[in-house]
Amino acid sequence: RKEVEQDPGPFNVPEGATVAFNCTYSNSASQSFFWYRQDCRKEPKLLMSVYSSGNEDGRFTAQLNRASQYISLLIRDSKLSDSATYLCVVNRGGGFKTIFGAGTRLFVKA
Amino acid sequence: EADIYQTPRYLVIGTGKKITLECSQTMGHDKMYWYQQDPGMELHLIHYSYGVNSTEKGDLSSESTVSRIRTEHFPLTLESARPSHTSQYLCASSTQTVNTEAFFGQGTRLTVV
Repeated sequence: RKEVEQDPGPFNVPEGATVAFNCTYSNSASQSFFWYRQDCRKEPKLLMSVYSSGNEDGRFTAQLNRASQYISLLIRDSKLSDSATYLCVVNRGGGFKTIFGAGTRLFVKA
Repeated sequence: EADIYQTPRYLVIGTGKKITLECSQTMGHDKMYWYQQDPGMELHLIHYSYGVNSTEKGDLSSESTVSRIRTEHFPLTLESARPSHTSQYLCASSTQTVNTEAFFGQGTRLTVV
């Protein structure tokens, strides 16, 4: 089993749709959590950090449930430009390793 | 924009050649990483470093080697390139703080013919 598991995707949604991505992590020593976005043939870039209290950035909302070891990303009012791969990322303490999920591909169609 | 740079961006090289992929960052980050990513596939950590003179192998076995003589520089070397090494190589860096993000370079797309 992988340490960080994501929905396999791809997700194909129309513009304006709401889409949710899920991610689970297996190591309870994980200390910080992020969502990254990777466009085709580009490097990953930070989309947002994920805090225990939940956090929102415009159309994007991230949630963390430490008890269930589960992270989510909600995108409201999807735009064509949201089409990308979304990576769930976990920083594990005790030697500090950054673990990337395999990513979930999103296609937003007109 | 992140201050982490990789060169070359694209490289086509013959089998058996020795190559070095360069990665430099000007953010003073202690931690640096090399990831390998095939098109449409996930990132695999192949090397990382906690600081000068520290190097560790990642989760994916790789025939490449790395060195960290200076904080800002983390080159990756393949002594004898093979077609199986064809891939994209991404360098990243971060601070030692666990709550910090990693910043990526633009990657080197390597093709071994």
